[in-house]
Amino acid sequence: NAGVTQTPKFRVLKTGQSMTLLCAQDMNHEYMYWYRQDPGMGLRLIHYSVGEGTTAKGEVPDGYNVSRLKKQNFLLGLESAAPSQTSVYFCASSYGGGRPYEQYFGPGTRLTVT
Amino acid sequence: AQKVTQAQTEISVVEKEDVTLDCVYETRDTTYYLFWYKQPPSGELVFLIRRNSFDEQNEISGRYSWNFQKSTSSFNFTITASQVVDSAVYFCALSQEYGNKLVFGAGTILRVKS
Repeated sequence: NAGVTQTPKFRVLKTGQSMTLLCAQDMNHEYMYWYRQDPGMGLRLIHYSVGEGTTAKGEVPDGYNVSRLKKQNFLLGLESAAPSQTSVYFCASSYGGGRPYEQYFGPGTRLTVT
Repeated sequence: AQKVTQAQTEISVVEKEDVTLDCVYETRDTTYYLFWYKQPPSGELVFLIRRNSFDEQNEISGRYSWNFQKSTSSFNFTITASQVVDSAVYFCALSQEYGNKLVFGAGTILRVKS
């Protein structure tokens, strides 16, 4: 049981390049989330999904896109990376169905945009 | 809008000291949920506790205890007899009744010295 995994762990991009971060969970969770963590700001929700085929915007969605084609996977895309997107990205998953449940987090992806 | 404030950016204590991490929240909802997460140096966030707004009983789990006071909109976390392994960043987070979208505080860095 791997829990929540993220690929890659580290990445360096040049401004304007694109990339996709992959999140996978093996707990059959309905809900999945992408957060970014910046110094002094805690974690901020980028996008989330409440089920296969659904996505919704979080607090800081600009510059990112997501897709949830399979229940166990949640992809985060950066179409044209900017230095302001240098951050640590965390994926999380949880049970769905109403009341907030604990979220299970992946190990994070450290992204640097130069 | 929801907001979580963790005013203590960093706390340093000596092993075996007790330490309290403060969390103050803002919400207009009558039903909401509060969480604490731990982020050890390895980077992965670990769930510690979830509390709903109707349950004001204090909770104790081993050396950890939580004090929820609705009157002051606070949900403070105390570690008794701190240990070096408690060194981590601790996040307080708030969620509405439905949807499970977390709003995080900026986090408190706890350093426990031997």
